[in-house]
Amino acid sequence: DSGVTQTPKHLITATGQRVTLRCSPRSGDLSVYWYQQSLDQGLQFLIHYYNGEERAKGNILERFSAQQFPDLHSELNLSSLELGDSALYFCASSSLGGGASDTQYFGPGTRLTVL
Amino acid sequence: GQNIDQPTEMTATEGAIVQINCTYQTSGFNGLFWYQQHAGEAPTFLSYNVLDGLEEKGRFSSFLSRSKGYSYLLLKELQMKDSASYLCAVRWSGAGSYQLTFGKGTKLSVIP
Repeated sequence: DSGVTQTPKHLITATGQRVTLRCSPRSGDLSVYWYQQSLDQGLQFLIHYYNGEERAKGNILERFSAQQFPDLHSELNLSSLELGDSALYFCASSSLGGGASDTQYFGPGTRLTVL
Repeated sequence: GQNIDQPTEMTATEGAIVQINCTYQTSGFNGLFWYQQHAGEAPTFLSYNVLDGLEEKGRFSSFLSRSKGYSYLLLKELQMKDSASYLCAVRWSGAGSYQLTFGKGTKLSVIP
């Protein structure tokens, strides 16, 4: 158990809908990262928040947005869902802003199925 | 951009040693990580290298050569539970932040 929690574990929804995925980092960690993992693409970095502020953006679609709250938990919002958005979404946390030996620890993931 | 290559699949026998290679091209290199991921589960951290050389951690060792853009993960005394995907990830810095780019993973099957 990494200490990172994610809810829900599974989510099934229809095309065009909007969902929110939630992540709580390990105690004391200031950074939260979101990744998408589909079968053919591997782990793709979406976005990084550090202590409430956006630090870096990866391959995140405009239909997706995220935020990190004062208690450091984070939410990833996915809207106008398409079939291709079906994937495992992982959250990871680290203690610092990502440099030096800062290591990311992953939560159990949310499996999103869009029908 | 960042480019990471690792073999798609490997098979090895229980009790043996296996080496999983990873080559990368990146700018702003700031460290290389190896993660283990069982199907449908979260990646779990195995090792970190930022300087050239070998890092040993029990049955697992990881090697880095920055000049060659090359790393390998060595697994000794293979056990059935080592059947998993092994992800090589490069950390790089750019525009004031650090990012991890992952390879597509090497699926290791350990057979009796």
